[in-house]
Order: sequence, then C-alpha cells, then structure tokens
Amino acid sequence: QQPVQSPQAVILREGEDAVINCSSSKALYSVHWYRQKHGEAPVFLMILLKGGEQKGHEKISASFNEKKQQSSLYLTASQLSYSGTYFCGTERSQGNLIFGKGTKLSVKP
Amino acid sequence: EAQVTQNPRYLITVTGKKLTVTCSQNMNHEYMSWYRQDPGLGLRQIYYSMNVEVTDKGDVPEGYKVSRKEKRNFPLILESPSPNQTSLYFCASSLLGPQGNQPQHFGDGTRLSIL
Repeated sequence: QQPVQSPQAVILREGEDAVINCSSSKALYSVHWYRQKHGEAPVFLMILLKGGEQKGHEKISASFNEKKQQSSLYLTASQLSYSGTYFCGTERSQGNLIFGKGTKLSVKP
Repeated sequence: EAQVTQNPRYLITVTGKKLTVTCSQNMNHEYMSWYRQDPGLGLRQIYYSMNVEVTDKGDVPEGYKVSRKEKRNFPLILESPSPNQTSLYFCASSLLGPQGNQPQHFGDGTRLSIL
C-alpha cells in the first residue's frame, strides 16, 4: 500500500515556506525522500530513520514520527530551484520500496 | 563518472514485439531496481535485485522479466509488450538497497510507447 502524500500540489512565491506530509497505514522503519524536476530523473534528498530524527539538505529539512507513522518535509525560504515533484518512499520488505504519488511544488518569482 | 545508464532512451514499438531495456551501473552497487512512472501514480517498483542472481517482484511485475547475471547489469525484458506498458521507466541502483539506508541513483529514464 502506497504511502499517502499531502498536499498533492502546492504553489509558492519565492521565499515562502511549505510542508509536505507523508503518512502510512503500516509501521514505518525509514522514510526516503526524493525530488524530481520536470523531464529529469528523481534525485535523492534524504533518508529518515526511526527515532524521530531530523535531517537537512540545503534549506530543506525533514522529521519522522514513527508513532504517527508520518514524515514531514519542510522547505524553508523556497527558491525557484525547489520546483519539482517530491516523493516519499517507505520500505514494505527488504528491498521493496514503495513511493507515494508525489507532491508537485511550483515556486513562482 | 558514477552513473546508471539506460538504453534506449526512447522507443516506439508494436504490440507483441519482444524488447529489452538495458541498465548498467559503474558504482559496484549490490542493489538494482526497475520502476515505471505513470501520470498521477508516482513511481511503482517492477522488480528489484539485492545482488547477483537474486531478483524479486515489486508491486507491478506482470508482463516483465529481469535477470541479474552480473553485478553491473540489470536488463528489463518485455516478452510480449502491450499498450498498457506504455510508460516512463527508470532503473536505479544503490550500494546496499533501502534497508541499508542507502540513496538510490537513478538512470535518465526510458520512454516506451507500445502501439
């Protein structure tokens, strides 16, 4: 079962903040985040592990709450280069990575 | 340069004509995987391989075959392609796979159209 991402799409102005959520009906052991720009391959952002840790990449950070079975991606002071579709992935079994349907982020000048 | 190389990048073919999409990585990665991407459905895993000679089904394996005879290569085979396999396909590799908390490196994608 795919993790559920919300919102499906978001439009921002440069400098605004956004949050993308990823939730699962099953227990999560790790959450993988990727960004895909239009016409390109997905690119790795970060992996969150059990323990509620937070990580950062540029001005993008994420948290993982295993009790809520949810991860959130925080984009701070967004830049034009942040535009793209963000995917979260969770591991159903060893090697079997399930991605959500994606959140399309558009940053306007 | 470390990379995952897919060929061809684009292919238009007809129903029933067997085709192979090749995938090769030069990073000595143990784990390789194939995904298909369709509008509104995200990335769906077709097959994956934890290491040489070991392959497992992902979520949408019907109509596809794979083999992993060497560490660097992981071809995707469509023995009798049908129009519902028209899609954008990505190959990816990582050192140990998701359970090793390793990032996946994706190829540039293969856009397949089956008429």
